[in-house]
Amino acid sequence: DVKVTQSSRYLVKRTGEKVFLECVQDMDHENMFWYRQDPGLGLRLIYFSYDVKMKEKGDIPEGYSVSREKKERFSLILESASTNQTSMYLCASRLRTGSNEQYFGPGTRLTVT
Amino acid sequence: QKEVEQNSGPLSVPEGAIASLNCTYSDRGSQSFFWYRQYSGKSPELIMFIYSNGDKEDGRFTAQLNKASQYVSLLIRDSQPSDSATYLCAVNPGSGNTPLVFGKGTRLSVIA
Repeated sequence: DVKVTQSSRYLVKRTGEKVFLECVQDMDHENMFWYRQDPGLGLRLIYFSYDVKMKEKGDIPEGYSVSREKKERFSLILESASTNQTSMYLCASRLRTGSNEQYFGPGTRLTVT
Repeated sequence: QKEVEQNSGPLSVPEGAIASLNCTYSDRGSQSFFWYRQYSGKSPELIMFIYSNGDKEDGRFTAQLNKASQYVSLLIRDSQPSDSATYLCAVNPGSGNTPLVFGKGTRLSVIA
């Protein structure tokens, strides 16, 4: 069974804080993704990584950065959290190509106050 | 801009009926197609994928693909109240490491 885990299910942070969201997968997947999901806006891709140490901007990278030092772990960093970053954050992974199934972690609901 | 379109719903069907969820996509070169189910407050769960024209069946679920019409659908037979969720259609617009393009989802409500 594919397993994608995220470090927290719920997180509350203050404006201006640096926030780290961690994602770990145990299936040796090359590709990993970070999305945010907001009502009415659907899933929006923030960043993705083809493989270790590789990263590509998605549709909404502003205000975020990522790190992929090990194949199984992909971190999303909010350098200075703002209230408009309050959202559900979803990590996903899949084998190398887009023809392979993509699996999501349980999500982190982040609230920035 | 590659797009995936779904009717947002809600689509309401009585228990035991067939629910039909539809999705159209803009990129004719799209290679593979996925359906996810998402319960409120939860993450998307992969339920079906299809790569070739025609039908693919898995239990009560059937995915249908028509590449000429750029259309993919999901049929749920003998719908149950537990099928009430939002269904997301996702398309791989190319080969290689291309990220999936997601529709915004159709909310399905199965009425007991």
